[in-house]
Order: sequence, then structure tokens, then C-alpha cells
Amino acid sequence: AQTVTQSQPEMSVQEAETVTLSCTYDTSESDYYLFWYKQPPSRQMILVIRQEAYKQQNATENRFSVNFQKAAKSFSLKISDSQLGDAAMYFCAYRSPLRGGSQGNLIFGKGTKLSVKP
Amino acid sequence: KAGVTQTPRYLIKTRGQQVTLSCSPISGHRSVSWYQQTPGQGLQFLFEYFSETQRNKGNFPGRFSGRQFSNSRSEMNVSTLELGDSALYLCASSYRGGRSTDTQYFGPGTRLTVL
Repeated sequence: AQTVTQSQPEMSVQEAETVTLSCTYDTSESDYYLFWYKQPPSRQMILVIRQEAYKQQNATENRFSVNFQKAAKSFSLKISDSQLGDAAMYFCAYRSPLRGGSQGNLIFGKGTKLSVKP
Repeated sequence: KAGVTQTPRYLIKTRGQQVTLSCSPISGHRSVSWYQQTPGQGLQFLFEYFSETQRNKGNFPGRFSGRQFSNSRSEMNVSTLELGDSALYLCASSYRGGRSTDTQYFGPGTRLTVL
């Protein structure tokens, strides 16, 4: 079974600085998807960025980028120019591709709580 | 385009009762998945529906059930509520059209408190 591990329960960053959140996963599959979701205190889970395992290039969305190391099964999230609105719980998630009629469920890590200091 | 909506947002029930939660996916999305979020267990998958059929199920007791309607709206039901069922229940929808459209988008959740 696949597992996702986020080893940093809490992290803190100064406004305008850069922070990296770690995520490792375990799988025997070669094709899969990886995601970072953000959950602010209001509880609405928001997609931050996604990565398809077959793509070598690291995904980037504005100030958010990932470092995807397939061989090491590592998928870290870098937030540049941190803003107060970035404060939230960040969840790393894994999903298998479509198979047997099922889209495959998301498998989440325990999350990292990010605080942003003004 | 409107996002995923869930009703009600908050619910208080007592042990032994049953509850029904509703989820309306993003327009055009055909797949709905449900997750339970608790401080202790984190985010756990409940079930997935596509074309009115349950496609996948997590490791939850039979007290947890769901269904999907022809308009893709979904409901989940929990019977004989237990204190441990207190949680945030999240619904996520996706299009299910191919690789680039398989992302799940979440609703705001229903906060269920069992007394």
C-alpha cells in the first residue's frame, strides 16, 4: 500500500522569505500523481500544485514550485516570497492513475502547519 | 464557475442517530469522492462515486454509505452515530475525462459533532 510522510509537523517562515516543505512517499507503481493542497483556517482545501510522475520537469505555479525526485520518492514544495496569506496546513497527497473504473483515492500525509511571521 | 458545495456546513447529532450529508460537484464534474478529516487520523478516504456507481471504498464500517444521483450530486449517510464519527467530512469532485483533468477539487466540508 502507498504511504505519504510529511516529517515536519510545523514550520515557520518570515514574510518575503522562502520556505521548503518536505514530503516523501512509498509506492511500487511507476505512474502516479502527486499533489500539494493548502487548507487555511477556514477549512477550504485548495489545490496548490500537481505533478505527474511521468513528467521529468518540476511543476511551477507562480510562487510555488516543487522538487520532484522520483528515484528518491521525494516531493518537496518551495514557497518563494512568502505572504501572510500562505499561512495554512499544507498536505502532500498521492494518487494512482485511473484503473478498473476507479479514479483512485488521494492518500494524504499528516500535514505541515506553516506560520508566516510579519 | 461555482465550486463544490456541501450542505449543511455544521451539524450536531447525538449518539445513535443517523445523518445525511450532501455534496454538489462543480458543474460538468462527474466524479465525487468523500473524505473524513479528524485530528487523530488525518484525512481518510471514504468512497468514490462515478456515473451513479460506487467505484472505490475506504476502510470504514458499513454504517457509512453513500449514493450518487444522475445529476452527479452525492449524499453520504452515517447510521447509528458514534462519538468517534465527529469529524469534518469533505467532498471532492473531478471531471474524470483523462489525465489532465483528474484533479480533485474540494468543498468547504460539513463539520459533524456527535454528542
